[in-house]
Amino acid sequence: QKEVEQNSGPLSVPEGAIASLNCTYSDRGSQSFFWYRQYSGKSPELIMFIYSNGDKEDGRFTAQLNKASQYVSLLIRDSQPSDSATYLCAVNPGDAGGTSYGKLTFGQGTILTVHP
Amino acid sequence: DAGVIQSPRHEVTEMGQEVTLRCKPISGHNSLFWYRQTMMRGLELLIYFNNNVPIDDSGMPEDRFSAKMPNASFSTLKIQPSEPRDSAVYFCASRRQGDTGELFFGEGSRLTVL
Repeated sequence: QKEVEQNSGPLSVPEGAIASLNCTYSDRGSQSFFWYRQYSGKSPELIMFIYSNGDKEDGRFTAQLNKASQYVSLLIRDSQPSDSATYLCAVNPGDAGGTSYGKLTFGQGTILTVHP
Repeated sequence: DAGVIQSPRHEVTEMGQEVTLRCKPISGHNSLFWYRQTMMRGLELLIYFNNNVPIDDSGMPEDRFSAKMPNASFSTLKIQPSEPRDSAVYFCASRRQGDTGELFFGEGSRLTVL
């Protein structure tokens, strides 16, 4: 079982719709969770992070975390063609003994296409 | 502020040659990470440093790979000898311990081994 799993897609949604991206992780002790966006040929850039169970909203983006189910999701409201990219879920295993130093384990990414 | 700076951006070499990739982290960041990205395996962590000390190199695929961080502003990833299966995009990322945990990525070095 992979440590961080995502549906590779591609996920195609019409402009203006809600895009829902999902991620599961295997390490129950994981502490923090990140969503990165990567445009083709570019480097990953952070969209959101979440530490606590529940929802966290930032503009058109909402991250949702359920630690009991080991599940993280990202909702993109009012999707735009400029949102078309690969979305990477990343997990920090936590600072057990202070040894993780913030290393992130990434999922394979979900390709999102928003069509006009 | 300058971001993470990597060089070269593109490298094409022949099998058996030595390859050296370079990274300058963001000033003030004390953790540095080397990742490799391929279509098949996604983003894989190779090695990371904290305060210039290698913490975990379990992701380094083989002895052909080595990494150093001689000071807080410079790191290298070396492959010797290179093989076609090493072809990938290599990313360097940095963060400041105690911050939100966000990794800041460089633009990557695209390596092609013929």
